[in-house]
Amino acid sequence: NAGVTQTPKFRVLKTGQSMTLLCAQDMNHEYMYWYRQDPGMGLRLIHYSVGEGTTAKGEVPDGYNVSRLKKQNFLLGLESAAPSQTSVYFCASSYSKLLNSPLHFGNGTRLTVT
Amino acid sequence: DAKTTQPPSMDCAEGRAANLPCNHSTISGNEYVYWYRQIHSQGPQYIIHGLKNNETNEMASLIITEDRKSSTLILPHATLRDTAVYYCIVRVTSHNNAGNMLTFGGGTRLMVKP
Repeated sequence: NAGVTQTPKFRVLKTGQSMTLLCAQDMNHEYMYWYRQDPGMGLRLIHYSVGEGTTAKGEVPDGYNVSRLKKQNFLLGLESAAPSQTSVYFCASSYSKLLNSPLHFGNGTRLTVT
Repeated sequence: DAKTTQPPSMDCAEGRAANLPCNHSTISGNEYVYWYRQIHSQGPQYIIHGLKNNETNEMASLIITEDRKSSTLILPHATLRDTAVYYCIVRVTSHNNAGNMLTFGGGTRLMVKP
């Protein structure tokens, strides 16, 4: 049981390049989330999904797109990377939206945009 | 949304109990208190959560005051591997159905020393 797996672990992009971050969970969770973490800023929610085929905007969605074609996968896309998107990206999942349902996080993708 | 206040840093001797405080004076009746921790270069790890009663699991104990305005996370026998940033979070529901949205603040950086 791997939990939440993120790929790649590290990536360096040039400004304007595109890439997709993959998140996979094997816990049959309905809810999935993408956060970014910057020094002194805590974790900020980018996008989330409440089930297969659904996505919604979080706190800082600009510059990112997401897709949830399969229940176990949640993809985060950067169409035209900018230096401001240099960050550590964390994916998370949870069983339900109920207040009593903990989030499980992956170990992050460290992205540098030059 | 209820805000939380935590000391920015704490030290603890190895083998001793670590008591991490959190103030959440604006918490509402149906909001849970969650604790996560983040060890360097890893994703946040769920520790424990509670609503009104004190809770204990294999990792820690959570003591919530009767008025629910504050709580304490207790690591009974801290080890060097418990050195991490500990986040106290009040779990909120959002208006747009993302019931699991978490707002991470600055947390407490716990340093366990030999």
